[in-house]
Amino acid sequence: AQTVTQSQPEMSVQEAETVTLSCTYDTSESDYYLFWYKQPPSRQMILVIRQEAYKQQNATENRFSVNFQKAAKSFSLKISDSQLGDAAMYFCAYRRWEYGNKLVFGAGTILRVKS
Amino acid sequence: EAEVAQSPRYKITEKSQAVAFWCDPISGHATLYWYRQILGQGPELLVQFQDESVVDDSQLPKDRFSAERLKGVDSTLKIQPAELGDSAMYLCASSYKSTGANVLTFGAGSRLTVL
Repeated sequence: AQTVTQSQPEMSVQEAETVTLSCTYDTSESDYYLFWYKQPPSRQMILVIRQEAYKQQNATENRFSVNFQKAAKSFSLKISDSQLGDAAMYFCAYRRWEYGNKLVFGAGTILRVKS
Repeated sequence: EAEVAQSPRYKITEKSQAVAFWCDPISGHATLYWYRQILGQGPELLVQFQDESVVDDSQLPKDRFSAERLKGVDSTLKIQPAELGDSAMYLCASSYKSTGANVLTFGAGSRLTVL
């Protein structure tokens, strides 16, 4: 079974600074997708960024980018120019390419942004 | 912007009572998911529907939990009888298809407290 590990229960960053959240996963599959979701306090979970495993180029979305290392099974999220609104729980998630497969989440990392 | 609707947002009940949660996915989304998120942990899939059919309910405690999506649109998750350990956030999500590339859109969740 696939597993996702987020080793940092909590991280802090100063406003305008850069922070990196770590994620590793375990799979024997070659085709899959990786995601970072953000869950603000008392608000719904939203997608931050997505990476297809067959793409070597790292995904970027404005201030958010990933460092995808397929051989190492590592998928970290970098947030540049951190803003107060970035404070949330961040979940790393994995999904196989095939039909009918579920999204498997890590335990999450709480990100605190200091002003 | 289309949203996944869930109700109630908050539910407090006593153990041994019955409780039900409702979810209305984004129009046209064939795949519907129910996840359970215990405080401080990542979401765990309870049941996945493709249209009106169950695709995955391997983690659903079937002695007390039931889920249905009779017309392939909205869905109800029921717990009877509720136990103290059922206190959690119940998240509903939907996607256009269930292949890996399809992004899940989450509702705001239903927070259950069992006393």
